[in-house]
Amino acid sequence: QVQLQESGPGLVKPSGTLSLTCAVSGGSISSSDWWSWVRQPPGKGLEWIGEMYHTGATNYNPSLKSRVTISVDKSRTQFSLKLTSVTAADTAIYYCARGTYSGSPPYWGQGTLVTVSS
Amino acid sequence: DIQMTQSPSSLSASVGDRVTITCQASQVISSSLNWYQQKPGKAPKLLIYDSSNLEIGVPSRFSGSRSGTDFTFTISSLQPEDIATYYCQQYDNVPFTFGPGTKVEIK
Repeated sequence: QVQLQESGPGLVKPSGTLSLTCAVSGGSISSSDWWSWVRQPPGKGLEWIGEMYHTGATNYNPSLKSRVTISVDKSRTQFSLKLTSVTAADTAIYYCARGTYSGSPPYWGQGTLVTVSS
Repeated sequence: DIQMTQSPSSLSASVGDRVTITCQASQVISSSLNWYQQKPGKAPKLLIYDSSNLEIGVPSRFSGSRSGTDFTFTISSLQPEDIATYYCQQYDNVPFTFGPGTKVEIK
């Protein structure tokens, strides 16, 4: 059973870069899966950020596309999210997720709260 | 972007009641729709995929159906552990979008 665990700074300054990693245990990113990021502002709904196929192909939310990069670590045991030029509106719980089909991940990490504040 | 609307935004029902949530897409989509359950402080859990397919391990009291651009999620007999917020999500077109959620409470 592949498990996912997000990690990264819990506080990022405005205009800075949010960087998170998702550690994959019990498997590797070489499997034929889509690896996703979804976020949820505190007390609000879910927003799909983007996803990456094991080949490196990506799909991004156009509303974030100019600021987002999803990539795989060379060890292929973790993947990452980078979001540049952050503002308070980027404050959210960030989830990584995995699924066989694009856009439909059944397996999620527990989430990590990132606050954008000076 | 495809907008997903859900109704109701919240509901209160008794244990054993049949609960129905509807989700409508702003344009025609295929059957590429999920239903997620999210309990407070937890990650979303996939219950239904492809509009009507039950994820492995999910109780059979949960079901989903589709009629055109309208999608329905049903709990046939509400249980105390079903207290949560339920989200629909289309994955037919990028960006994949979620409905605003339906909060289910026990009366």
